[in-house]
Amino acid sequence: QAVVTQEPSLTVSPGGTVTLTCGSSTGGVTSGHHPYWIQQKPGQAPRTLIYETSNKHSWTPARFSGSLLGGKAALTLSGAQPEDEAEYYCLLSYSDASYVAFGGGTKLTVL
Amino acid sequence: QVQLQESGPGLVKPSATLSLTCTVSGYSISSGYSWGWIRQPPGKGLEWIGSIWHSGSTYYNPSLRRRVSISVDRSKNQFSLRMSSVTAADTSVYYCATINGPFDYWGQGTLVTVSS
Repeated sequence: QAVVTQEPSLTVSPGGTVTLTCGSSTGGVTSGHHPYWIQQKPGQAPRTLIYETSNKHSWTPARFSGSLLGGKAALTLSGAQPEDEAEYYCLLSYSDASYVAFGGGTKLTVL
Repeated sequence: QVQLQESGPGLVKPSATLSLTCTVSGYSISSGYSWGWIRQPPGKGLEWIGSIWHSGSTYYNPSLRRRVSISVDRSKNQFSLRMSSVTAADTSVYYCATINGPFDYWGQGTLVTVSS
């Protein structure tokens, strides 16, 4: 089955910009994989920030954006805040959503 | 406001069957969308277990397919997870969720420990 890959950890300075990426073992990630980006803070349930590549929920801070970049899904954080320190998971769908896979997660540190 | 709430035993013995229920309020499961189970072992990442569509079609993680089943009780607006032959490796926080574009809701999760 497909494996979804993410950077294990990244660090960004307060106010800085960082891009997290999400790749697939089956080849390039496209909009057909319906990429999602999910944030999880310690001790909390996950919460989706981005759906369908680049769409934001009402609760998604404007500083987060999603895109496709170089064959991968990407989550860009512009103007990082201390409260953005969290684990970020990518979610991809395959074969008309008959198979869904999470990436291993990226631990983002704001320091 | 759509809400999902997991319920079930917090402790399950090895080789037994784990059973969890997700109660949905604020929306009828029969009206649409897929409804799924996700788990997270302590200190580790998220793993998709499987999903059931409003039509009743089910899809499972191939690595768990032989031990897992997901069903719906439309009269109670609930969907359930059964996982057989559990081991300590199945100890996790189990989340129910519906992740369908803008229609996106998660339960708070329930910790299930597999231990004798």
